[in-house]
Amino acid sequence: DTGVSQDPRHKITKRGQNVTFRCDPISEHNRLYWYRQTLGQGPEFLTYFQNEAQLEKSRLLSDRFSAERPKGSFSTLEIQRTEQGDSAMYLCASSLQGGLAGNNEQFFGPGTRLTVL
Amino acid sequence: QKEVEQNSGPLSVPEGAIASLNCTYSDRGSQSFFWYRQYSGKSPELIMSIYSNGDKEDGRFTAQLNKASQYVSLLIRDSQPSDSATYLCAVYSGTYKYIFGTGTRLKVLA
Repeated sequence: DTGVSQDPRHKITKRGQNVTFRCDPISEHNRLYWYRQTLGQGPEFLTYFQNEAQLEKSRLLSDRFSAERPKGSFSTLEIQRTEQGDSAMYLCASSLQGGLAGNNEQFFGPGTRLTVL
Repeated sequence: QKEVEQNSGPLSVPEGAIASLNCTYSDRGSQSFFWYRQYSGKSPELIMSIYSNGDKEDGRFTAQLNKASQYVSLLIRDSQPSDSATYLCAVYSGTYKYIFGTGTRLKVLA
């Protein structure tokens, strides 16, 4: 399977706990994105990486959220001191910037559904 | 004004009919346009991309782009019950950002 993978697929945690999610992008893609999606909404941008550099972070993202992409390969998203409002689907996506002319297709992983009790 | 607007639906069409989904966007500099299908509880799946004005066909799907009117549409011919899903319109700004609409829920009635 050469698509985007995410782990875990589901996470249930208690309020105040820390959680970490992993994303493995499509191997030749240099851009990796994290989104959050709640019911009835489109994916909401959280942050993105170009190779190993985190180039943009949403202003909506609190300091409890941090993301890394060591060596430009897989990425992790950590949420510290989770709150019930963090319950959502966390989506990872990857794309190749600078590929075929006009091709900026972005592909999503299966997502991690977080439930904070 | 929302950056990418879609009618939330539901849009109900009978099986075998053409479903027409519409999307408008606000950034005139947008370069690339995408349609995703999302089944309930699943992640978005890319089904069409379009970059220049006009129509692009892929099987039962046709994407239409009109940059002057800042309008993108998706036509689904011979709609099947398995097409019932939420369809997300996404716009790429040309820098790094993809902006998504809230999606249109399509129901194909058998």
